[in-house]
Amino acid sequence: QVTLKESGPALVKPTQTLTLTCAFSGFSFRASGMRVSWIRQPPGKALEWLARIDGDDERFYNTALRTRLTVSKDTSKNQVVLTMTNMDPVDTATYYCAFGSYFRVWGPGTLVTVSA
Amino acid sequence: DIQMTQSPSTLSASVGDRVTITCRASQSISTWLAWYQQKPGKAPNLLIHKASNLESGVPSRFNGSGSGTEFTLTISSLQPEDLATYYCQEYNTYSPAFGQGTKVELK
Repeated sequence: QVTLKESGPALVKPTQTLTLTCAFSGFSFRASGMRVSWIRQPPGKALEWLARIDGDDERFYNTALRTRLTVSKDTSKNQVVLTMTNMDPVDTATYYCAFGSYFRVWGPGTLVTVSA
Repeated sequence: DIQMTQSPSTLSASVGDRVTITCRASQSISTWLAWYQQKPGKAPNLLIHKASNLESGVPSRFNGSGSGTEFTLTISSLQPEDLATYYCQEYNTYSPAFGQGTKVELK
């Protein structure tokens, strides 16, 4: 059974860098076809896919945000990490990590507020 | 990038009604489409993948169809627990896109 859980700061200041961690269990990146994405949702708005990392370490990014995003994994710790630079109040959102090409399993999400 | 457009944005219906939500892709995505249900304060829940494959545990009143650029999600008989926001998502590309959501509320 795959589970995921996001963690990170609840509040960041404008221009700061956000670092979020997705801790997972129930699968190994060493197995073929494993992939984890990050998705966000501003309050009251739609879902937006941000980034993905595969087991072979291929990485894919949202075209509009690619210059600000980095996704990485620590296979030994069963974690995926997302960094987003130059945070702005419009980046206030619930950030989710999710498993698969279509997202069969989601973490509960973590709300990040960007405010001075 | 592919754009996904859902209609309507809001749908008012009564318990027992047949409900249909449409999702259109800006270019062909074959059947690489998923549907999710999201309730307030919760993560989305996968209902359907590959346009018409019902996820295990999802009630059979949910049905997905379509291919290419036009897709539909149908709830055959709306139940109170189906009141939620529904999203389509394409996974044909390396930059998957979601629709803007359809909120299903009680008339």
